[in-house]
Amino acid sequence: NAGVTQTPKFRVLKTGQSMTLLCAQDMNHEYMYWYRQDPGMGLRLIHYSVGEGTTAKGEVPDGYNVSRLKKQNFLLGLESAAPSQTSVYFCASSYGTGPYNEQFFGPGTRLTVL
Amino acid sequence: DAKTTQPPSMDCAEGRAANLPCNHSTISGNEYVYWYRQIHSQGPQYIIHGLKNNETNEMASLIITEDRKSSTLILPHATLRDTAVYYCIVGYAGGTSYGKLTFGQGTILTVHP
Repeated sequence: NAGVTQTPKFRVLKTGQSMTLLCAQDMNHEYMYWYRQDPGMGLRLIHYSVGEGTTAKGEVPDGYNVSRLKKQNFLLGLESAAPSQTSVYFCASSYGTGPYNEQFFGPGTRLTVL
Repeated sequence: DAKTTQPPSMDCAEGRAANLPCNHSTISGNEYVYWYRQIHSQGPQYIIHGLKNNETNEMASLIITEDRKSSTLILPHATLRDTAVYYCIVGYAGGTSYGKLTFGQGTILTVHP
């Protein structure tokens, strides 16, 4: 099992450009999450999904859109990138909620917006 | 969700036990205590969780005080590979919760040779 994978690992964008980050999991998990982590900070939840075809806003959703067309994939889109979106983005997945449903995290995508 | 307070940094000698404290004085009756860690530049990794009772797994032990207002994560024999940021997180599980994890700044644990 590959677990949770993220594509790409690194990306540099210019202000105003768009891009999509791909998260894939092979554990048949229902729940998927996108977080961002700024330097010296903890992770903050951007968007999440409780199943195929569903998405919902987290703590910091502005400037991002997501889609969950297939159960195993969760896409994070930036329509018009801004320097404030320079961050490390982590995807995670879990079976669902409940105390035993720990979240499994991907390796992260380092995004720089110039 | 209840907030947590952790020391910003701690040191530990290799081979010794690392005891990481966490205060969560506003925890409610059905909130769990979760511990995750993040090794430099990697995604966070689940360690252990508990509600009331002490818990142990292959990675660590979790000691929760009787009043549940604080807890301690114990790494029994710390190695250099345990150097990481350790996050104590309090949250609900199940019901209307969507598994939200609120990460604070955590404790930077440095294990020395």
